[in-house]
Order: sequence, then structure tokens, then C-alpha cells
Amino acid sequence: AQRVTQPEKLLSVFKGAPVELKCNYSYSGSPELFWYVQYSRQRLQLLLRHISRESIKGFTADLNKGETSFHLKKPFAQEEDSAMYYCALTFTGGGNKLTFGTGTQLKVEL
Amino acid sequence: GAGVSQSPRYKVAKRGQDVALRCDPISGHVSLFWYQQALGQGPEFLTYFQNEAQLDKSGLPSDRFFAERPEGSVSTLKIQRTQQEDSAVYLCASSYYYEQYFGPGTRLTVT
Repeated sequence: AQRVTQPEKLLSVFKGAPVELKCNYSYSGSPELFWYVQYSRQRLQLLLRHISRESIKGFTADLNKGETSFHLKKPFAQEEDSAMYYCALTFTGGGNKLTFGTGTQLKVEL
Repeated sequence: GAGVSQSPRYKVAKRGQDVALRCDPISGHVSLFWYQQALGQGPEFLTYFQNEAQLDKSGLPSDRFFAERPEGSVSTLKIQRTQQEDSAVYLCASSYYYEQYFGPGTRLTVT
């Protein structure tokens, strides 16, 4: 069965410091990976998708199939980045249902 | 336009009561998903509809959980004889393509 692991429940960084939120997955096939974000008092929303290879709000994530990882990175953290981040995957034949990790709370301190 | 809406936003039920949670998806979205999010956990898949057809209900934890989407739009998640372990936030999401748009959730507390 597919599984997503986010080892850090809480990550605290200073404003301007680099950020890396870790995500590892287990799935025998070729999954599609996503990062979803939930800002305070807002609903869960898509941040980025590995296939798009985009940078959204300065965040990037590269799929590393050898290490089965999809870490989320940003070179300089901003206060508005403070939020809950969830890594998730879908897989072929899964009907686009998402399997989520347990989430990492990012806190950017001034 | 309006996003996904869910009602009620909060529900307190006594153990053993039945509850019904409603989801209004974004107009035109073919796919609708239900997830359960326990405290401190990520959302967990419950069930999935494509139009009115329930294509996957593998995540429903017991036969006390039932979902329907009779006209391919609004969906209802029903929980019969609620138990304390049913306490969670229930999220609904709809999609047209790959991106799922989430509602605000219904927080169910079973006392």
C-alpha cells in the first residue's frame, strides 16, 4: 500500500533562512506527488504538483525517485509562509484519491 | 465563484446518534471526495464519486458510514450510531481535473 511520511511535526525557522520540509513516500509504481498547504483559518489548498515543475510563492519541490522523496524547499522564508504543509500522493488506478502525510507545521519567526 | 461549502460547520452528537454531513461542490466538478481528519493527523480518504456513481468506498471505516450523491452534485455523508472514535474533521473536496478544492470541513464531536 502507498504511504507518505513527513518526519517533522514542527519546523521553526527565522525569517530569511532557508526552509526544507521533508517528505518521503512508499509506492511500488509511479505516483504523482503534491504539496498542499493550510494557512491559519483557511481551507486546505494545493501549493504545487511535481509534474508542473513550477515555483509557487518561491517554493519548489523535486521528485527524487531513487530516494523516494519530494522535499519542499524555499531559499528565504517569509513570515507569511507560516502554515501547515501536507505532502500527498495519488497513483494510477487510484481514481485521484489523495494519500496524505501527517503534516509539518512551519513557523517562521522574526 | 463560490468554493466548496460544507454544513454544518460544527456538530456535537451524543454517542449512538445518527448524523448527516452535507457537501456542496463547485458547480461542474465531476469528482467529489470525502476525507476524515483526526486531531494531529493528515486527512484520510473515505470515499469518491464520479458524478452520481460511488466508484471507491474503500476508506469507509465501518458499515455505519454511508455516502451518497444522488444527482451528481450535492453529497451527504451519513454516520449511524456515532461512536467517540468518529470525532474528527470531515473534509469534502471536488475536482474537475487533478486539483482538489477543499471545503472548510465539518468538525464532529461525539460525546
